[in-house]
Amino acid sequence: QQQVKQSPQSLIVQKGGISIINCAYENTAFDYFPWYQQFPGKGPALLIAIRPDVSEKKEGRFTISFNKSAKQFSLHIMDSQPGDSATYFCAASIRGKLIFGQGTELSVKP
Amino acid sequence: DTAVSQTPKYLVTQMGNDKSIKCEQNLGHDTMYWYKQDSKKFLKIMFSYNNKELIINETVPNRFSPKSPDKAHLNLHINSLELGDSAVYFCASSQLRVDTQYFGPGTRLTVL
Repeated sequence: QQQVKQSPQSLIVQKGGISIINCAYENTAFDYFPWYQQFPGKGPALLIAIRPDVSEKKEGRFTISFNKSAKQFSLHIMDSQPGDSATYFCAASIRGKLIFGQGTELSVKP
Repeated sequence: DTAVSQTPKYLVTQMGNDKSIKCEQNLGHDTMYWYKQDSKKFLKIMFSYNNKELIINETVPNRFSPKSPDKAHLNLHINSLELGDSAVYFCASSQLRVDTQYFGPGTRLTVL
């Protein structure tokens, strides 16, 4: 019940396109949903996060959509750029304990 | 000016050895974590300390022992290393009740 399921495992998008990564969870006690971006050889870095009382949050080209009733949330990357090529992790937090999804390897082709 | 730092960055050792990984944060946070990232990039929390007190202890073999000398440092000691311990270990920190966690650069452990 503490799992977070992430899809797709890998994603190839053309430059300028929209990248969409989806996550689903079971435990309704989760109260914080961050997305992390990880480049090869680096640690994960917080990209954007949302709380369950908000249905959408946008920061620049990155948007989280949150559907509390469906227990799903997604990351949209608008105008995807080659520099966005990285692994993206969704996560859910309960009392400070982060449960990560399996990761999505995004490749943006020029 | 690194926020969360780890040493060493790479660690190659033989099975059965004991090794330590050190972590330091200069963000003034009161909570620190250890995560393990396996070969499939799956990230899993191992431990969390708040003000030197253990608050999260996942089902990790007791060969792994975290030690927090003060709230800015959290070290990970691993006894009797096994092949399956090969992974990237990340330290992270946050302020308790503030959910954003900041990760270090990772330590790649290879057990031969």
